[in-house]
Amino acid sequence: DADVTQTPRNRITKTGKRIMLECSQTKGHDRMYWYRQDPGLGLRLIYYSFDVKDINKGEISDGYSVSRQAQAKFSLSLESAIPNQTALYFCATSGPNYNEQFFGPGTRLTVL
Amino acid sequence: AQSVTQLDSQVPVFEEAPVELRCNYSSSVSVYLFWYVQYPNQGLQLLLKYLSGSTLVKGINGFEAEFNKSQTSFHLRKPSVHISDTAEYFCAVSWGPGNFNKFYFGSGTKLNVKP
Repeated sequence: DADVTQTPRNRITKTGKRIMLECSQTKGHDRMYWYRQDPGLGLRLIYYSFDVKDINKGEISDGYSVSRQAQAKFSLSLESAIPNQTALYFCATSGPNYNEQFFGPGTRLTVL
Repeated sequence: AQSVTQLDSQVPVFEEAPVELRCNYSSSVSVYLFWYVQYPNQGLQLLLKYLSGSTLVKGINGFEAEFNKSQTSFHLRKPSVHISDTAEYFCAVSWGPGNFNKFYFGSGTKLNVKP
């Protein structure tokens, strides 16, 4: 089984809808991250969390919120989706030495 | 502000030819450096990393990279590419000291290996 899983893998929604993307990990890592990937822009950090009580904004947090329900779960929400949030979203984890990130398979979100 | 630059958005190369993918980053006292590969419709997986020690780092699938502190570069190389190396490659940097907890990614380089 994969160490970092994301659900759903694909989602099409309409402008104004609330969307939640979920991430679960079995690596036992405290640190979890949400990124979005856009063609030609690489990965940009949306939010990151170092433990259940620690949530931090990344480069592009506007329009997004997160919830760290447990050490193993980190959810990303779009309260009111807009078309320019159409992107590939990745969850990642990192261990105590910060020396590598482990990525989920990604969620492809389309906002019409 | 920290920045990671991958100047080449696409690199076409013939099979069995050598390839170099370039990565430069903004200067800092200490950095951790990474190369990730993304195959079509997949997530990112680590190719190699530099944390400290030898400046020449060897990774999986025959790739290697050299950390050049004076030029603030971490270029990825492979002496002979295969069709299966066709993918997008991302350079990532984590800056220190005391802040090795965020990773900044370059914009990616698409490697297209032709037969």
